[in-house]
Amino acid sequence: GAVVSQHPSRVICKSGTSVKIECRSLDFQATTMFWYRQFPKQSLMLMATSNEGSKATYEQGVEKDKFLINHASLTLSTLTVTSAHPEDSSFYICSAYKTSGYNEQFFGPGTRLTVL
Amino acid sequence: AQSVTQLDSQVPVFEEAPVELRCNYSSSVSVYLFWYVQYPNQGLQLLLKYLSGSTLVESINGFEAEFNKSQTSFHLRKPSVHISDTAEYFCAVSERGSGGGADGLTFGKGTHLIIQP
Repeated sequence: GAVVSQHPSRVICKSGTSVKIECRSLDFQATTMFWYRQFPKQSLMLMATSNEGSKATYEQGVEKDKFLINHASLTLSTLTVTSAHPEDSSFYICSAYKTSGYNEQFFGPGTRLTVL
Repeated sequence: AQSVTQLDSQVPVFEEAPVELRCNYSSSVSVYLFWYVQYPNQGLQLLLKYLSGSTLVESINGFEAEFNKSQTSFHLRKPSVHISDTAEYFCAVSERGSGGGADGLTFGKGTHLIIQP
């Protein structure tokens, strides 16, 4: 298998502040990682595709200046929610794509963001 | 663009009874199909996938799903469920390409499978 971690698991912040969420592939290298967002009782919505060493590709309707994605290494991608507002409160989930022998995405446990 | 519909948000089933979780999709292009399972307080795990070949795919824990192109469906079934199958099940699709999984996924809203003793 493969393990993907996210940190923090929960974060509460004040409106107007920025929050960084880390996604790590612990036992494999991932050139491609994905960020999803899940609202209560809704499906996961793809936000962006993160490629190591290049700019992220954002889905339509996702503000790239609001949700900054950095994929600086083969095991780490970060999502920074800038100037967070209450409507940004959500469950953020990352996945990492493993090619060697699997060709599938492995998901992190998610991060619950609450903006007051 | 693709969309996935899971009509049942919650399915209660007695232990050892059969179950079917429904999934229909819409897409203007060919797709790959996936079922993911999420146990309480854990991340999503791949249950099974259809990329090509036989339209009936099976998982190691007794689940199976059949790709039906004419009905654009990928229903998940298990002949006899166990308490440990209690979880949230998500159907997902991605655009058919060279990656077979290296594309972002479009998910359904999920079906909560509740196993009753």
